[in-house]
Amino acid sequence: QVQLQQWGTGLLKPSETLSLTCAVYGGSLSAYQWSWIRQSPGTGLEWIGEISHSGGTNYNPSLRSRVTISLDTPKKQFSLRLNSVTAADTAVYYCARDEDGQIDLWGQGTLVTVSS
Amino acid sequence: QAVLTQPSSLSASPGASASLTCTLRSGINVATYGIYWYQQKPGSPPQYLLRYKSDSDKQQGSGVPSRFSGSKDASANAGILLISGLQSEDEADYYCMIWHSRVSVFGGGTKLTVL
Repeated sequence: QVQLQQWGTGLLKPSETLSLTCAVYGGSLSAYQWSWIRQSPGTGLEWIGEISHSGGTNYNPSLRSRVTISLDTPKKQFSLRLNSVTAADTAVYYCARDEDGQIDLWGQGTLVTVSS
Repeated sequence: QAVLTQPSSLSASPGASASLTCTLRSGINVATYGIYWYQQKPGSPPQYLLRYKSDSDKQQGSGVPSRFSGSKDASANAGILLISGLQSEDEADYYCMIWHSRVSVFGGGTKLTVL
């Protein structure tokens, strides 16, 4: 059974860089897109972006200037970096698997709080 | 105006049916989109339920009961999630989603109360 397990820093100060990593257990990276999605009470579910198994990326235009998603194929991990965070970036961040448009597998979520 | 609009809450009785709507913004034609539906319970990530584009192009999520089904109301430019035979375990938040201009967009969610 494929599982996603994510980890990263949960408390940041404004202007710092958010960094999260997600590992894929029990399955292959191939044939899927690997996504990051966040959820906050204020903005609901927001898709951040995705990376394909071959390394191609696609970002939400609203975050594109601050986001980088990368892939480590040998480790079967993918990562999110979000620069220059503010309080508006406080949210639960999820990694997820996208199969042909359907987001069918989610990580457990990481609460990231931005506060001075 | 948001791309996808969902009513914030809905209540229904056990055993009844609930129809959750997802209205697309004017200018975005529901006929051209697959509508994805997700269920989220407190403390857990969303879970994929189904995708509906048409009666000939739809997909049920793995293990999702057949009492969850999708449809569209073209006159309202909306996607619909129908839950029949409501059970207490169906109480949750429900989100619709589309891929619009290569971006995944979610609705604001509907909190379904079964009472």
